Amino acid sequence: DAKTTQPNSMESNEEEPVHLPCNHSTISGTDYIHWYRQLPSQGPEYVIHGLTSNVNNRMASLAIAEDRKSSTLILHRATLRDAAVYYCILDKGSSNTGKLIFGQGTTLQVKP
Amino acid sequence: EAGVTQFPSHSVIEKGQTVTLRCDPISGHDNLYWYRRVMGKEIKFLLHFVKESKQDESGMPNNRFLAERTGGTYSTLKVQPAELEDSGVYFCASSQELRGREQYFGPGTRLTVT
Repeated sequence: DAKTTQPNSMESNEEEPVHLPCNHSTISGTDYIHWYRQLPSQGPEYVIHGLTSNVNNRMASLAIAEDRKSSTLILHRATLRDAAVYYCILDKGSSNTGKLIFGQGTTLQVKP
Repeated sequence: EAGVTQFPSHSVIEKGQTVTLRCDPISGHDNLYWYRRVMGKEIKFLLHFVKESKQDESGMPNNRFLAERTGGTYSTLKVQPAELEDSGVYFCASSQELRGREQYFGPGTRLTVT
C-alpha cells in the first residue's frame, strides 16, 4: 500500500493559517489524495480530497504538487476547534475497495 | 440528513463473553465500512460491505469476528468470544460511491474487555 509521511505534530496560533504537509512519493496516477481529521472523542471526519488540481471547500484548501508526490492541507484561519489529528490518506487504484489506510497523522495544536 | 449512528457508545464485557455492535449508515449509502483502533495503534480497516455483500474482509483479525449486513441496511459486528486484545474503539463509516468520495464516520463504539 502506498505510504504517506506526515510530521507527528504541529502548532499554530488561533486565527493564523496552517499548512499541514504530506509526502506521498510512491503515489500512482489514479490515486486520490484524501484528508480526514479526528477531533477528540469523535470519529474521523472528511476534510477534502483531490486528484491532480488544487481543491477548495468550506473547510480547507488542498494544494497538490505538480508531480503529485506531496500535498499540503491549508486551514486558512485556525480556530481552537481545529485542534485534531489530521490524516493524509491515499485512495489507491482501481483494485482498491475504497478502504482507507490511516497512518499516525499530524496532531495539530492551536494556541489561543 | 441523519449521520452514521453506532450503538452502543460504550460496552464493557468480560473476557469470553459475546458483544454485538451495530451501525446504521446514512440512508442510501451502499458502501459500509468497519474500522477499529486498539490502544496506542492506528485506525485499521476491518471490512467493507457493498449493500449486503462482503466486498473486502481482509482486515478481520480472526474468526471470532463476524459481520453481517442483512438487507443492505444496518450492519452488526459480533465478537465471540471476546478477548482482552479486542478492546478499542470500533468505527463504522458509509459512503455513496467507492473511490474518490468521502466516507462518513460514526462516533464509534468503545469496547472494553476485562
